[in-house]
Amino acid sequence: AQTVTQSQPEMSVQEAETVTLSCTYDTSESDYYLFWYKQPPSRQMILVIRQEAYKQQNATENRFSVNFQKAAKSFSLKISDSQLGDAAMYFCAYRSGEDYQLIWGAGTKLIIKP
Amino acid sequence: EADIYQTPRYLVIGTGKKITLECSQTMGHDKMYWYQQDPGMELHLIHYSYGVNSTEKGDLSSESTVSRIRTEHFPLTLESARPSHTSQYLCASSDWDSYSPLHFGNGTRLTVT
Repeated sequence: AQTVTQSQPEMSVQEAETVTLSCTYDTSESDYYLFWYKQPPSRQMILVIRQEAYKQQNATENRFSVNFQKAAKSFSLKISDSQLGDAAMYFCAYRSGEDYQLIWGAGTKLIIKP
Repeated sequence: EADIYQTPRYLVIGTGKKITLECSQTMGHDKMYWYQQDPGMELHLIHYSYGVNSTEKGDLSSESTVSRIRTEHFPLTLESARPSHTSQYLCASSDWDSYSPLHFGNGTRLTVT
C-alpha cells in the first residue's frame, strides 16, 4: 500500500526567507500524481501545487516550487520570500493513476516569524 | 470564495441526537468526499462517491451514512451522535481525471456533549 510521510511536524521561518517542507512517499507504481495543499487556521483547504510523476520538470507556482526526485520518492515544497499569509498546515498527498483516492501525509505546521 | 458549501459551520449537540451535515457543490463534479480531521492532524476518509447513487466507505470506521441522490448534494448523517464523533468534518469534490485537485468546503466543526 502507498504511504506518504511528512517528517517535520512543525517548521518555522523568518518572513522573507525561504523554507523547504519535506515529503516522501512509498509506491511501486509508475503512474501517479503528487499534491501539496495548504490549510490556514480556520479556513478552507486549498491546492498549492501539483506534479505529474511522468513529468521530469519540477512544478512551479509563483513563490512555490517543488523538488521532485522520483527515484528517491521525494516531493519537497519550497516557499520563497515567505509571507505572514503562508502560515498554515501543509499537507502532502499522493494519488495513483488508477485510483481516485488521495493518500495524505500527517501535515507540517508552518510558522512565519515577523 | 468557496464553490463547495458546508452547513452548519459549527454544531454543538447532545449525545444520542441524529444530525445531518450538509455539503453542496456548484461545479458539477461527479466525485465527492467526506473527511474527518482533528485539529492540526491528518485527514481520514470516511465516505466517498463517484456519482449519483454511488457511495463507498472510506478507511476510517464510522457510524455515519451518506447519500448521493443529486450530483451537487452529498449529505453526511450521524444516526446517534457520541462524544467520540467530536471533530471537524470536511467535504470535498473533484473532477474525473486523477490530476484534478480536490476542492474543499470550509468544514463543519462538530462538538458532541
